[in-house]
Amino acid sequence: DSGVTQTPKHLITATGQRVTLRCSPRSGDLSVYWYQQSLDQGLQFLIQYYNGEERAKGNILERFSAQQFPDLHSELNLSSLELGDSALYFCASSGQGNNSPLHFGNGTRLTVT
Amino acid sequence: AQSVTQLGSHVSVSEGALVLLRCNYSSSVPPYLFWYVQYPNQGLQLLLKYTTGATLVKGINGFEAEFKKSETSFHLTKPSAHMSDAAEYFCAVTLGAGANNLFFGTGTRLTVIP
Repeated sequence: DSGVTQTPKHLITATGQRVTLRCSPRSGDLSVYWYQQSLDQGLQFLIQYYNGEERAKGNILERFSAQQFPDLHSELNLSSLELGDSALYFCASSGQGNNSPLHFGNGTRLTVT
Repeated sequence: AQSVTQLGSHVSVSEGALVLLRCNYSSSVPPYLFWYVQYPNQGLQLLLKYTTGATLVKGINGFEAEFKKSETSFHLTKPSAHMSDAAEYFCAVTLGAGANNLFFGTGTRLTVIP
């Protein structure tokens, strides 16, 4: 058990809809990362938050947004969903040290129909 | 720009045989390199990492990897494969010191044949 909790485990929704994925980091970890894993794109870094502030941005679409709350949990919001957004979305957290290892949750599988 | 290339999307070995999973990196700064493993329906788990210092890195479950700057490689090895090693393995690189976000290779699925 990595200590990172993601909910829900599965999500099925229709095109055009909006969903919110939730992540609780390991106790004490200030950094939260979001990744998308799909068959055609592999594992893609989306965005990183550190103690409530955006720290780094990767290949995140404008239709997607994220935030980290004062209690350090994070939410990834996906809107105007398209079929191609179907993927496994992972959250990871890490400690404060440079290059502290990332600890991954078990992911949320999103299916857009 | 930083990137990693994993040669071979699928590798099959017999139980007890040597496991060799290949990873080559491209980085304009000294790289920090990682190997992660993903079991079915689970998240990624850190196997080992190289930051600085000793170039031969030992990880969990008997795996090790050697950083070879001259070959820009970070291949993962295990002397004797076990059935439980069947999983997908990802090589990853950071953008450098102070950057925790990882950029992953496309993964190698390891099959262990009994």
